Amino acid sequence: GQNIDQPTEMTATEGAIVQINCTYQTSGFNGLFWYQQHAGEAPTFLSYNVLDGLEEKGRFSSFLSRSKGYSYLLLKELQMKDSASYLCAVLDSNYQLIWGAGTKLIIKP
Amino acid sequence: DGGITQSPKYLFRKEGQNVTLSCEQNLNHDAMYWYRQDPGQGLRLIYYSQIVNDFQKGDIAEGYSVSREKKESFPLTVTSAQKNPTAFYLCASSPLTSGGQETQYFGPGTRLLVL
Repeated sequence: GQNIDQPTEMTATEGAIVQINCTYQTSGFNGLFWYQQHAGEAPTFLSYNVLDGLEEKGRFSSFLSRSKGYSYLLLKELQMKDSASYLCAVLDSNYQLIWGAGTKLIIKP
Repeated sequence: DGGITQSPKYLFRKEGQNVTLSCEQNLNHDAMYWYRQDPGQGLRLIYYSQIVNDFQKGDIAEGYSVSREKKESFPLTVTSAQKNPTAFYLCASSPLTSGGQETQYFGPGTRLLVL
């Protein structure tokens, strides 16, 4: 079966750095997405990785290792507004998105 | 102003009643999707469509129906056969490229509650 694993919940301090991990086992791989979802709202696109390595976009960076079936989202200089769920999703060989359950990130002052 | 709209924001369903959730996009995207989100779970695909007048079942299509008569519109009907419809319903759209799929963009969602 296809499976995506993320921690259920993480807590971090305002101004700090946090890394959210995602491991996947899917039938084929055509890219990995990270989305941010605030409570009661729609997911919004953060990043897309299809090649190994680090993609940096402002305070957010996303890393991919296809050989390890592993990705992480790195959030720097955390702000209170970063409190949200972060969803990892993988595009499989049929170009279907397989979603993880999401990681709820709690930021404390 | 381009985007995806869903209505209503909240919807109440009585036992045995069919209800229809609206999804409209003006992004000129070919593909549209319906997902269901339950607390503590990932998004689950109900139906998707890549072209007008054609759609495919996702992982949890039972108790739901869709239509795609226009490129811009992809309404979802939750039928009385869906025994546990209380959830957050999200509509998404994406362009289609030679790779088969691009980034999906989401509407604001409809929260369905059973009376």
